[in-house]
Amino acid sequence: GEDVEQSLFLSVREGDSSVINCTYTDSSSTYLYWYKQEPGAGLQLLTYIFSNMDMKQDQRLTVLLNKKDKHLSLRIADTQTGDSAIYFCAERYSSASKIIFGSGTRLSIRP
Amino acid sequence: EAGVAQSPRYKIIEKRQSVAFWCNPISGHATLYWYQQILGQGPKLLIQFQNNGVVDDSQLPKDRFSAERLKGVDSTLKIQPAKLEDSAVYLCASSLDSATALIAKNIQYFGAGTRLSVL
Repeated sequence: GEDVEQSLFLSVREGDSSVINCTYTDSSSTYLYWYKQEPGAGLQLLTYIFSNMDMKQDQRLTVLLNKKDKHLSLRIADTQTGDSAIYFCAERYSSASKIIFGSGTRLSIRP
Repeated sequence: EAGVAQSPRYKIIEKRQSVAFWCNPISGHATLYWYQQILGQGPKLLIQFQNNGVVDDSQLPKDRFSAERLKGVDSTLKIQPAKLEDSAVYLCASSLDSATALIAKNIQYFGAGTRLSVL
């Protein structure tokens, strides 16, 4: 079935790296995404990775994809207070065109 | 470039009343989505349009929810009658790609949502 799982909370110290993890079930998914949601706002796409890649880097963001374990992670380097938000992992379910979202990981930054 | 517009931002109604939400997608985007986001959960797709046709409405509770996208641009989502469990944020999103092209990135752009409280 369709399922994307994430841990609910992560707390990191300002300036440290944050690593948010996600597991998914569809081994034939084509694209995987990370979205960010700030309070009272819609979801904002941060980055995405195509399933034939195992890593993608974009400034402070690094996405790692382990297809064998169906594991996706998002690393945020030098975490800042502005990174406080809920981060959603999502996969494009290959037998359809829809995107399935995880429940989100709430990232909080401590001084 | 203007983003996805939704209105109203907030709505409070009593159970058994009716409510409608409106969405204006990004200009030129063929595919439009309505999601329901219950507090503490990720968005769940309710319905997906390609132009003015429905691609996927398998998760739409059709006994009370309806949606239309006349002329393939704006869309409305209606709930009639509302139940307490319909309290959620209703998000609209749009994407440029064809909804059925599997090689497409299908990057979705989201509106700010309508927060519905059913009392």
